[in-house]
Amino acid sequence: DAGITQSPRHKVTETGTPVTLRCHQTENHRYMYWYRQDPGHGLRLIHYSYGVKDTDKGEVSDGYSVSRSKTEDFLLTLESATSSQTSVYFCAISEGHNYGYTFGSGTRLTVV
Amino acid sequence: GEDVEQSLFLSVREGDSSVINCTYTDSSSTYLYWYKQEPGAGLQLLTYIFSNMDMKQDQRLTVLLNKKDKHLSLRIADTQTGDSAIYFCAESHRNSGNTPLVFGKGTRLSVIA
Repeated sequence: DAGITQSPRHKVTETGTPVTLRCHQTENHRYMYWYRQDPGHGLRLIHYSYGVKDTDKGEVSDGYSVSRSKTEDFLLTLESATSSQTSVYFCAISEGHNYGYTFGSGTRLTVV
Repeated sequence: GEDVEQSLFLSVREGDSSVINCTYTDSSSTYLYWYKQEPGAGLQLLTYIFSNMDMKQDQRLTVLLNKKDKHLSLRIADTQTGDSAIYFCAESHRNSGNTPLVFGKGTRLSVIA
């Protein structure tokens, strides 16, 4: 996935602990997105950003917060992880909502 | 409202054609996309079609759009085992401003050798 990297790729954490996932891009795209992918639910939008310090909620934002202090980085934080947040998290970037998205390789998060 | 529906599974024999279907509800959709997700990877943009087109062909891929029925299909000719993946349909709404893409739940294509 040229120009977009997610870290970490895998993480196991305990219930109640804070977790931050990082998305980094080198494309200078304005828009960045966080999705989660779960069996039977497909891709669900958590939060997105349309510029530095400009973010908005998606359909499953409860329990998640985001920050974008630089164009290239979009952070997703689980303030207090729960087992229901065990999932694969994808970051995506685009020049605009109506342009094709480029996705990262994903972060597999397990909350035990 | 915005909703994109796809069947969850499709199984075809190697060499046959695959047809993956998608229906959407928002008539203001301007671009419709097909993404492919291989195991353990993120989604990759496969192709897209603008709403004023009926068909788009790109090598083995053919996209058909029926705006009246709000139906989109992706046909893969001469399906190969490497085509086994999850295929997502997505729609965008240029005229409605800052609205992210809406994705379907994905169709898992299994190719039998």
